[in-house]
Amino acid sequence: SQQGEEDPQALSIQEGENATMNCSYKTSINNLQWYRQNSGRGLVHLILIRSNEREKHSGRLRVTLDTSKKSSSLLITASRAADTASYFCATDFNNDMRFGAGTRLTVKP
Amino acid sequence: KAGVTQTPRYLIKTRGQQVTLSCSPISGHRSVSWYQQTPGQGLQFLFEYFSETQRNKGNFPGRFSGRQFSNSRSEMNVSTLELGDSALYLCASSSPSTHGWQYFGPGTRLTVT
Repeated sequence: SQQGEEDPQALSIQEGENATMNCSYKTSINNLQWYRQNSGRGLVHLILIRSNEREKHSGRLRVTLDTSKKSSSLLITASRAADTASYFCATDFNNDMRFGAGTRLTVKP
Repeated sequence: KAGVTQTPRYLIKTRGQQVTLSCSPISGHRSVSWYQQTPGQGLQFLFEYFSETQRNKGNFPGRFSGRQFSNSRSEMNVSTLELGDSALYLCASSSPSTHGWQYFGPGTRLTVT
């Protein structure tokens, strides 16, 4: 069964705009991870945030984690057409990984 | 290092048959996890193997099984295939040195007719 719920399910923006995706989960976690998937291919990891961290940056990506609300958000700044993909959050608790349903991001040139 | 490889990439089977999928992890990775991805159910965790032992298991029927060999390569088997088993099956490998990151293979697209 899935652990997380992503919101929104789909997001369409123009190139240069920022994209924000949210993830809520239900149980305890050791860490929370974000992955990207291009059209029916394997997933690529983007960023990992540990349960004792609140914010993390990697290039144009910024992830926040609020364990009291059991939620996380992924911000992609200055989006590009190449960012078009599905984005998934995944919770890790004792090596048990559970993925959300994903957000489909479309960036229009 | 070479990435995670999965074979075959595409497979067509008929109901009632069984299928075996293979996954070769990144060299040095001892943990292999399997996932089923469908449009309706999303990415669902099947099981995880570490050093030839199943460490975690998702909520799938006993028709889904797996194993891991001493070289960390893993196979998953689905017996008595049903139409609903049509999906993209993804495997991912990791090790303590990856600090929780999983590295995914390209997947095996299984179609059951």
